[in-house]
Amino acid sequence: AQSVAQPEDQVNVAEGNPLTVKCTYSVSGNPYLFWYVQYPNRGLQFLLKYITGDNLVKGSYGFEAEFNKSQTSFHLKKPSALVSDSALYFCAVTHSGAGSYQLTFGKGTKLSVIP
Amino acid sequence: GAVVSQHPSRVICKSGTSVKIECRSLDFQATTMFWYRQFPKKSLMLMATSNEGSKATYEQGVEKDKFLINHASLTLSTLTVTSAHPEDSSFYICSADPTSAPEVEQFFGPGTRLTVL
Repeated sequence: AQSVAQPEDQVNVAEGNPLTVKCTYSVSGNPYLFWYVQYPNRGLQFLLKYITGDNLVKGSYGFEAEFNKSQTSFHLKKPSALVSDSALYFCAVTHSGAGSYQLTFGKGTKLSVIP
Repeated sequence: GAVVSQHPSRVICKSGTSVKIECRSLDFQATTMFWYRQFPKKSLMLMATSNEGSKATYEQGVEKDKFLINHASLTLSTLTVTSAHPEDSSFYICSADPTSAPEVEQFFGPGTRLTVL
């Protein structure tokens, strides 16, 4: 079975400061990891993914994430937070070779960027 | 990018009535669509996987007779909540998979807010 943990329900950061939203995962086989963002009363928007290759992945809106196999983590980062980054962030995992590509989501982390 | 629409965006209905929610992939064909339910401040719960031309696969604990899913074409899947009750009130989100490959991201609809009175 695959699972995702987002240990923080909420992250508060001042505008202009760097932000990190944490994610750890458990999966058999090679993981495919995704970050999605959800604005209020909206669906999810894709930010970035790790499939293979370079451990540092760059995505939309200046976000990046680092895949760490030994720590089974895929933390989302941004060097300088914007107020408009305030939203709900979901980490998700699936894996190769299982014949099933259902995504398993973490419970979400609410990011609040304070002006 | 690929666009997925949902209709309606918001619906209020009386207890005991049925409600249909449509999920459309506007600029691509989706062999597989997924239906999720999201409770307030909670993660997404996968309800079922919908494959074009075949019966949907429901997750454990999801009543297939209550949540009817029809994937009539490669661009349309519908979720019908039958005999809705207040506990069915939730935010329902669909996603569409353009390639059936796990390394490709799914594209999500904007969601439908269902309120059952």
